[in-house]
Amino acid sequence: KQEVTQIPAALSVPEGENLVLNCSFTDSAIYNLQWFRQDPGKGLTSLLLIQSSQREQTSGRLNASLDKSSGRSTLYIAASQPGDSATYLCAVTTGTASKLTFGTGTRLQVML
Amino acid sequence: NAGVMQNPRHLVRRRGQEARLRCSPMKGHSHVYWYRQLPEEGLKFMVYLQKENIIDESGMPKERFSAEFPKEGPSILRIQQVVRGDSAAYFCASSPPRDGNTIYFGEGSWLTVV
Repeated sequence: KQEVTQIPAALSVPEGENLVLNCSFTDSAIYNLQWFRQDPGKGLTSLLLIQSSQREQTSGRLNASLDKSSGRSTLYIAASQPGDSATYLCAVTTGTASKLTFGTGTRLQVML
Repeated sequence: NAGVMQNPRHLVRRRGQEARLRCSPMKGHSHVYWYRQLPEEGLKFMVYLQKENIIDESGMPKERFSAEFPKEGPSILRIQQVVRGDSAAYFCASSPPRDGNTIYFGEGSWLTVV
């Protein structure tokens, strides 16, 4: 059974700092891995999708890496801003259907 | 192109009542998924449907919960005889045919059972 763990559970940083969020999964036979952002009382927004054959994806100030053999992914956020404050969720897909297994998230607060 | 639409956004039910949550997928999307987020827990897969078919219901509780995606109209997640433990956020997501990588989530329906 696939299990996804995210650490830290919460993180508070000053504006401008670079930060790394971690995600680990127990079954390396994944189809892809996604990072999502969730704002309070809102749905999920997909940030980055990494296919199992890829090592990383970049979008603006975000960079996600994937090491499938060790069951790990990181989300790097450069030059953090208060608008980045949200919960970040990591999810993996095992198989071809979009059945995602989510971690419990990292709650990020970027302070002015 | 409207996103995934869920309604109601907030629903309060007394124990024993029924809750019906609706989801209209994005235009052109024929695959619908329901996820549940319990307080202080991650999102858990419940069910995957295509038009008129349940593809995977491995995450659905065995009793009181059912889902459908009829040929016409929205997908419905139905919870009968609700209990306090059903209080959660229920998220719907949709994806186009033949592209399971592209998934969009709705803003959720928050169910509170009193």
